[in-house]
Amino acid sequence: QVQLVQSGGGVVQPGGSLRLSCAASGFTFSDYGMHWARQDPGKGLQWVSFIHFDGSNKYYTDSVKGRFTISRDNSKNTVYLQMDSLRAEDTATYYCAKDRGLLGSTLDYWGQGSLVTVSS
Amino acid sequence: QSALTQPASMSGSPGQSITISCTGTNSNIGSFNYVSWYQQHPGKAPKLMIYDVSKRPSGVSDRFSGSKSGNTASLTISGLQADDEADYYCCSYGGSTTWVFGGRTKLTVL
Repeated sequence: QVQLVQSGGGVVQPGGSLRLSCAASGFTFSDYGMHWARQDPGKGLQWVSFIHFDGSNKYYTDSVKGRFTISRDNSKNTVYLQMDSLRAEDTATYYCAKDRGLLGSTLDYWGQGSLVTVSS
Repeated sequence: QSALTQPASMSGSPGQSITISCTGTNSNIGSFNYVSWYQQHPGKAPKLMIYDVSKRPSGVSDRFSGSKSGNTASLTISGLQADDEADYYCCSYGGSTTWVFGGRTKLTVL
């Protein structure tokens, strides 16, 4: 069965950096695009970033462009989200999610979530 | 990348049917059939219930159905059960390889 196991959340000061990891199993990782989404405490979901199956193309929501970087290592079945210049408004639970296809359609399976708190 | 609009809360009695609406624009729901719906229980990750407007993933009850008309998508849950009490979110492809979610609809089963 599809499993996405996340690691790397925590507390960081404004302006700091954090890297989230998401280890996948139960499917051929290199055949699918991968997403990151986030959820404000008690609030709604927001799509954050997407990477093609082969890592060739990456996409971001406007509020994180230039600060966040998505990447993947198909040899390790892992997708990453490097978050730099973090702001208080980035505080959220971050989820990795598998796409149903190679180039982006639907977020189908989700990881367990990683809480990121940006606070001084 | 404005959020899609959902009702903040809805309620129904066991056995009843409810329909949650999700209103977008010509830039998202109105232009693409990549509309999906997620169920989220407290403290859990979202679970895909409907994709491509009206398709159900394997294992999802046929009590859940989806549809779309113009810029508005809908999720219908028939024969409400206690375990259906959860938060529900819609999501649409927004073009230019972006996605947009709706605000939370909190469903209460009375």
